[in-house]
Amino acid sequence: GENVEQHPSTLSVQEGDSAVIKCTYSDSASNYFPWYKQELGKRPQLIIDIRSNVGEKKDQRIAVTLNKTAKHFSLHITETQPEDSAVYFCAASTTYSGGGADGLTFGKGTHLIIQP
Amino acid sequence: DVKVTQSSRYLVKRTGEKVFLECVQDMDHENMFWYRQDPGLGLRLIYFSYDVKMKEKGDIPEGYSVSREKKERFSLILESASTNQTSMYLCASPGQGSSEQYFGPGTRLTVT
Repeated sequence: GENVEQHPSTLSVQEGDSAVIKCTYSDSASNYFPWYKQELGKRPQLIIDIRSNVGEKKDQRIAVTLNKTAKHFSLHITETQPEDSAVYFCAASTTYSGGGADGLTFGKGTHLIIQP
Repeated sequence: DVKVTQSSRYLVKRTGEKVFLECVQDMDHENMFWYRQDPGLGLRLIYFSYDVKMKEKGDIPEGYSVSREKKERFSLILESASTNQTSMYLCASPGQGSSEQYFGPGTRLTVT
């Protein structure tokens, strides 16, 4: 089965600086890579995702890059703000013909702390 | 607005009890998933279902079973609860035409 490794487990950055979280996956059949943000006491929510036919995707201050050859993908947050403080999870999955994703295999999470 | 709801936010049960966790989605989607979340371990897939009366094992199915009698409802069953099943349980379902999985609010289960 799929195995997803995520690093670092904790990341502390100064407000306004950039943050990078990295993940590797093992199954070359995986083709869908979402990132979820979970604030304290709340449910995980999708913030950005990328499919294996794309190398990079951006949404305002958030970007994700994917290297299929090396089987790794990364989340980049620029100009960090206090509200970015949360736990971030990467995940990998295969998608089926209907476009939906199979069950997700998650990394263990990164606790991002934004220092004022 | 997409909605996934779970029957309880907090649950306390005794060792050996049979426990039912209920999940309901209003997106009319075929797929539903159960995960458990533990500190330092992330979210792990327990079981999932592609359609009514269909079920597939995830990564950690031991000690659990599921039931999908109606499209909108997916139940996770602990036949004989044990203390190592104390955890946060999250149900999820995709939106129509989407790969995004929407999570329910979670049920924090404590087994004493």
